Amino acid sequence: GAVVSQHPSWVICKSGTSVKIECRSLDFQATTMFWYRQFPKQSLMLMATSNEGSKATYEQGVEKDKFLINHASLTLSTLTVTSAHPEDSSFYICSAPLYQETQYFGPGTRLLVL
Amino acid sequence: GENVEQHPSTLSVQEGDSAVIKCTYSDSASNYFPWYKQELGKRPQLIIDIRSNVGEKKDQRIAVTLNKTAKHFSLHITETQPEDSAVYFCAGGGNNNDMRFGAGTRLTVKP
Repeated sequence: GAVVSQHPSWVICKSGTSVKIECRSLDFQATTMFWYRQFPKQSLMLMATSNEGSKATYEQGVEKDKFLINHASLTLSTLTVTSAHPEDSSFYICSAPLYQETQYFGPGTRLLVL
Repeated sequence: GENVEQHPSTLSVQEGDSAVIKCTYSDSASNYFPWYKQELGKRPQLIIDIRSNVGEKKDQRIAVTLNKTAKHFSLHITETQPEDSAVYFCAGGGNNNDMRFGAGTRLTVKP
């Protein structure tokens, strides 16, 4: 089966610092990856689509200068939360599609901004 | 773009009973509808999916039905067990539509 890893699994940082989260497809290549945010007891909210070799596509209401996305290779996408604030505390999950449809999710990164 | 709505938000059943979760979608161009199970603090796991060229798919105790005309699809779990307790998400998309998720259904199976 398809495996997607995510690192780190959890991070605690001070307000104003930046945090980088990595998403890797371990056994398949993904020209597209997706980044989601999930608040407690809520659904997965798509933040942006990461495109290898081109700029990410952001959903309405998501600040592209705050959530920097880089799709460095066919197996790696990174999400950097810049100048993090407590309201950015959330569960961030990436996914990569296999055969262009079936989404396989990473284990998620729990971010706590103090 | 696609918009997916899911009902109910919570569902409690007795062990052995059936559970049904329903979703509707807005974009008739969508052609792929997966269902995910998410346990607390873990990643969503694909449990079953259906494409628009079929009306029903079954995998042991889990089945999904799709009504393209009405633009709704449902998840059916039979003979529920306590380990089926989790949050279930439907999603719709494909055919150049990004995948959109429903709000989720928290299923509790009481022993």
